[in-house]
Amino acid sequence: DGGITQSPKYLFRKEGQNVTLSCEQNLNHDAMYWYRQDPGQGLRLIYYSQIVNDFQKGDIAEGYSVSREKKESFPLTVTSAQKNPTAFYLCASSIVGVGTGELFFGEGSRLTVL
Amino acid sequence: SQKIEQNSEALNIQEGKTATLTCNYTNYSPAYLQWYRQDPGRGPVFLLLIRENEKEKRKERLKVTFDTTLKQSLFHITASQPADSATYLCALDVSNSGYALNFGKGTSLLVTP
Repeated sequence: DGGITQSPKYLFRKEGQNVTLSCEQNLNHDAMYWYRQDPGQGLRLIYYSQIVNDFQKGDIAEGYSVSREKKESFPLTVTSAQKNPTAFYLCASSIVGVGTGELFFGEGSRLTVL
Repeated sequence: SQKIEQNSEALNIQEGKTATLTCNYTNYSPAYLQWYRQDPGRGPVFLLLIRENEKEKRKERLKVTFDTTLKQSLFHITASQPADSATYLCALDVSNSGYALNFGKGTSLLVTP
């Protein structure tokens, strides 16, 4: 089935450790996104990418890094520089261009820093 | 700064009534606006998109209006059902990227039998 797969669903990490969240899509979408959601809050944009090997910072990129080596993959690394990394992370994809496509979201990864 | 504001208080309504949720934005003129539904612990799901030249859009029991003068969108669910209970998010492109969306904080809707 077509869709977006995020892994792991739950992740625990110690302070000072980097962690990488996986996001894969088989929808053949050009654009991919990472959002962060805190309890009772909306989604805040971390990074987004329209094409391979190119990505842009969103509103809260500090402490995060991404790569886009393949069209279908957009992993997010939460670095030790991120001061408050505990959150729900959502990956999404969309078509780009005429029609301004809807975002298709994965099921999310919940990161807890111990 | 650009803002997207939704009612922060939860909306409780009785089954069968019409739910109306509000999305206001400032300092921006988006070409379109989208509404999403999010259930607890899940990713948002797209519901409707409305463009700046459309005043109203309907899909089954859902209706969205878009007033670019007031900088406001209203989201209506008619004949509401308990299964409509969820958080509803509005989203628009405030970054001028043409495709990346920023989201409001969402409004929680509870429909009671």
